[in-house]
Amino acid sequence: AIRMTQSPSSFSASTGDRVTITCRASQGISTYLAWYQQKPGKAPKLLVFAASTLQSGVPSRFSGSGSGTDFTLSITYLQSEDFATYYCQQYYSFPPTFGQGTRLEIK
Amino acid sequence: QLVESGGGLVQPGRSLRLSCAASGFTFDDYAMHWVRQAPGKGLEWVSGISWNSDNIGYADSVKGRFTISRDNAKNSLYLQMNSLRAEDMAFYYCAKSKVDGLLTSPLDSWGQGTLVTVSS
Repeated sequence: AIRMTQSPSSFSASTGDRVTITCRASQGISTYLAWYQQKPGKAPKLLVFAASTLQSGVPSRFSGSGSGTDFTLSITYLQSEDFATYYCQQYYSFPPTFGQGTRLEIK
Repeated sequence: QLVESGGGLVQPGRSLRLSCAASGFTFDDYAMHWVRQAPGKGLEWVSGISWNSDNIGYADSVKGRFTISRDNAKNSLYLQMNSLRAEDMAFYYCAKSKVDGLLTSPLDSWGQGTLVTVSS
């Protein structure tokens, strides 16, 4: 199975900041990568698919990039509702696998 | 909308069947999945099934113990879990593939989850 490694595992930031989360695949996955946001007690929500395509309804302050093995999720001008845990997922090959998650906390 | 049910407390070695009722989309156009999350932990894909049940896959951790199935006439997805272990304890989410009929796809709709507790 392809291993997905996110960094950092957690970090703190302030509203208005720009933040970047990285995700690395153990082998090339082209752009078959998705990003999810999960808030406490809630189900995950799809933010980005195909590495850089925003899911309908997701604010434009979110953006994804990358291909092959290295990917990033960026959030410009952090809002209070953005503090959550973020997961990457590869769907290039079976079984689909998730990163371990990045917890974004308020500074 | 996806609504899971069937979770609860079960003893190790026993069985449980989860259900997921789907609405608001054409159920038999999409592959469906189960994803679990142990309390305080990350997401783990468990199993997936294509729109017509021809393609099915399982995580190694549940292969041979869990069985996924669907009833398109009832817009429902199921997960039969046998020989449950302590490490199976988690919230189980039902999720829909974004792409028509493709088993490996981003998941664009999730249920609220149902908690399975395995303890004696």
